[in-house]
Amino acid sequence: EAGVAQSPRYKIIEKRQSVAFWCNPISGHATLYWYQQILGQGPKLLIQFQNNGVVDDSQLPKDRFSAERLKGVDSTLKIQPAKLEDSAVYLCASSFFGSSETQYFGPGTRLLVL
Amino acid sequence: AQSVTQLGSHVSVSEGALVLLRCNYSSSVPPYLFWYVQYPNQGLQLLLKYTTGATLVKGINGFEAEFKKSETSFHLTKPSAHMSDAAEYFCAVSPSGGYNKLIFGAGTRLAVHP
Repeated sequence: EAGVAQSPRYKIIEKRQSVAFWCNPISGHATLYWYQQILGQGPKLLIQFQNNGVVDDSQLPKDRFSAERLKGVDSTLKIQPAKLEDSAVYLCASSFFGSSETQYFGPGTRLLVL
Repeated sequence: AQSVTQLGSHVSVSEGALVLLRCNYSSSVPPYLFWYVQYPNQGLQLLLKYTTGATLVKGINGFEAEFKKSETSFHLTKPSAHMSDAAEYFCAVSPSGGYNKLIFGAGTRLAVHP
């Protein structure tokens, strides 16, 4: 079974530029998550989708971050404009629907903002 | 609000020694509890989880954890460390019922030396 796919794996941009990350979840998983992991910290949930609807985006900086999940499958996360403090690893995860279901994580995209 | 505390950001053990990684949570009701492992430049992989039932949970690679409600703890143990266990370990909680948002601790980096 294929895992969660993410691209690109690495990205270096200058501040005020824009960037987009892509995630393809495990087939059949209704729930998709984007986490931000800053160096030395645990992952923090940015946004959670149930199919193509948003169920939690309380920690998403909506003035610069946006995310969509078209057709309830793939998802993109965008940052515009980027700030230095956005340097982090962005992890995508997916799971079947249900509160006890295991989340499966992709390898992440490492973003460096200069 | 729920939170997770992992005591010790770095733990070092000898190969063959007991591994003990500590995790305490704060929650008004017993949550679901998870341990994830992260190897360098990889995503997170589930080691084990507790939802309901038996409080001693066995996971992959010889790890186990015990849910102690009275102590609000979910410590991770392994009787005998192996060099391949060197990684970062994250404890996470999820509210029981509803959508399974994960709240992670800051992580514990485990070093195993010969």
